Amino acid sequence: AQSVTQPDIHITVSEGASLELRCNYSYGATPYLFWYVQSPGQGLQLLLKYFSGDTLVQGIKGFEAEFKRSQSSFNLRKPSVHWSDAAEYFCAVVRFSGGYNKLIFGAGTRLAVHP
Amino acid sequence: NAGVTQTPKFRVLKTGQSMTLLCAQDMNHEYMYWYRQDPGMGLRLIHYSVGEGTTAKGEVPDGYNVSRLKKQNFLLGLESAAPSQTSVYFCASSSRGNQPQHFGDGTRLSIL
Repeated sequence: AQSVTQPDIHITVSEGASLELRCNYSYGATPYLFWYVQSPGQGLQLLLKYFSGDTLVQGIKGFEAEFKRSQSSFNLRKPSVHWSDAAEYFCAVVRFSGGYNKLIFGAGTRLAVHP
Repeated sequence: NAGVTQTPKFRVLKTGQSMTLLCAQDMNHEYMYWYRQDPGMGLRLIHYSVGEGTTAKGEVPDGYNVSRLKKQNFLLGLESAAPSQTSVYFCASSSRGNQPQHFGDGTRLSIL
């Protein structure tokens, strides 16, 4: 079955430091992959998506992610974190079941940013 | 741009009571979804709809019912609320199943 694993439950970084959030998926074919961000008390906002083509994708708010088929990974990166990036981040993969495509979410990684 | 709107935002129920959560989207999306979010478990799909008049079970459908009488609305019902249904509920919509989903701001539901 297709699934998504986010190994880090909590991550703390200093403002201005670089960030990498890990995501591993299990899927037989080329997956459709997404990263979402959730600020406290709000819904999920799409950061970026990967469907095919260039394995390095750019998103909003200065985030990027790299698809690595050999490692079944889709890690999210940002070169310099801002205090406003403190939030919870979810990786998701499209799964085909019951005749339709649906999103499967990882458990999330909560990011704290120290001043 | 309203996007996806959920009502109510907060609700407290007693065990055994019933209620309906309303989701409305103004993007003419075919697909709509209801998720619940619990700490450490990410989002789990309760029910979904691939078009007006259609509904289907997701990952955790027990204790919930849904209806999609109009394309823009997707209702989630709890017939007899249980404490295990205390959660934050999110509605989402998308143009197709493999396209990005747009989320509402959530409904925080407590069952006492």
